[in-house]
Amino acid sequence: EPEVTQTPSHQVTQMGQEVILRCVPISNHLYFYWYRQILGQKVEFLVSFYNNEISEKSEIFDDQFSVERPDGSNFTLKIRSTKLEDSAMYFCASSIQRRTGELFFGEGSRLTVL
Amino acid sequence: ELKVEQNPLFLSMQEGKNYTIYCNYSTTSDRLYWYRQDPGKSLESLFVLLSNGAVKQEGRLMASLDTKARLSTLHITAAVHDLSATYFCATRHSYNTDKLIFGTGTRLQVFP
Repeated sequence: EPEVTQTPSHQVTQMGQEVILRCVPISNHLYFYWYRQILGQKVEFLVSFYNNEISEKSEIFDDQFSVERPDGSNFTLKIRSTKLEDSAMYFCASSIQRRTGELFFGEGSRLTVL
Repeated sequence: ELKVEQNPLFLSMQEGKNYTIYCNYSTTSDRLYWYRQDPGKSLESLFVLLSNGAVKQEGRLMASLDTKARLSTLHITAAVHDLSATYFCATRHSYNTDKLIFGTGTRLQVFP
């Protein structure tokens, strides 16, 4: 069964360092998303992406964050200068349709900022 | 601003018993999703409810949607230990947004 894959599964970094989280969405999906979940809290929307540009972003997704699809398969989330409060599980998701489609989530990348 | 509330937040139930998780949302919405999350794992899609009165069943789980009451329920029938997980509902506030708003989650623990 096709699935969304994410790497790394866990990353530990020092505050101020740059981090790149990688995702390979399901191959025929066109819409891509990042969500995050701080430990024990709700899942929160970060950004959606389609046709090589951001479709929508939340207030969390400030200038420290960026996304890109550098090739035909990967979808990346970059955090330029990590803060302690960026520690969370980051989930990538993809869907075949935009606003009517079911979202399929990856296993997540746990980011720990020290 | 759309708010999504679930209750209860924590549910401990005995195997074989029935229970219902409630998901209330504060503004009109055109669809409602239910997800399951095992500890440290991803979100597994359970149900997508698309219209008022929609009911979907999979095994011991049944989800329903009442858009007039802005309420969705996830009913568990004859619980088994394997159902122990956190269950989230999610919706969005209008057709013109990608952003899903998730509920607070209900942590279900089923014991023998």
